[in-house]
Amino acid sequence: GAGVSQTPSNKVTEKGKYVELRCDPISGHTALYWYRQSLGQGPEFLIYFQGTGAADDSGLPNDRFFAVRPEGSVSTLKIQRTERGDSAVYLCASSLQGADTGELFFGEGSRLTVL
Amino acid sequence: GESVGLHLPTLSVQEGDNSIINCAYSNSASDYFIWYKQESGKGPQFIIDIRSNMDKRQGQRVTVLLNKTVKHLSLQIAATQPGDSAVYFCAEAGGYQKVTFGTGTKLQVIP
Repeated sequence: GAGVSQTPSNKVTEKGKYVELRCDPISGHTALYWYRQSLGQGPEFLIYFQGTGAADDSGLPNDRFFAVRPEGSVSTLKIQRTERGDSAVYLCASSLQGADTGELFFGEGSRLTVL
Repeated sequence: GESVGLHLPTLSVQEGDNSIINCAYSNSASDYFIWYKQESGKGPQFIIDIRSNMDKRQGQRVTVLLNKTVKHLSLQIAATQPGDSAVYFCAEAGGYQKVTFGTGTKLQVIP
């Protein structure tokens, strides 16, 4: 399809393990965002890429979280030493240029459960 | 699927009536204010946006009103349909920066 694709759709892991979540944005979209959404809450900003570089990573909660976008397309969110509090839906979004108008195209998310 | 609307304020509307969802925003420097719709198990979907120098914008069955004096944003949905049932989030953005989401409101349409 032509939308934002996220894999895996569900991930169950044990506390302390390492996790990678992948996002494949809409072709041609230079801006890519990661958000985290807990039950009953709005999406919480994590990081924003413009091309290959992280333009704003102020939302990453601590140094266990890291994201890359080496070729300016696919992005991977990496979480080290997972904790139960990391359990949430991780949403990826892309846009043609950036958040100039706020119109982001979201994927369906990766649901992470840390046991 | 699991509801994203758990613990959220809920607005119940009869099918065919108009719905009004309200939001208070925080950053008066934002350039754009946006409404997103999120159905259970899916990512948020863009509905409509409004630039900060406007006070009203209309789309198909939806109208967004912006009152900068009191930092208030509203979404009006005309002739609400069962397919409008979802959680609605207001958001703000500007200057190629991050989009910040506010609290959501769950809209329940009663057939």
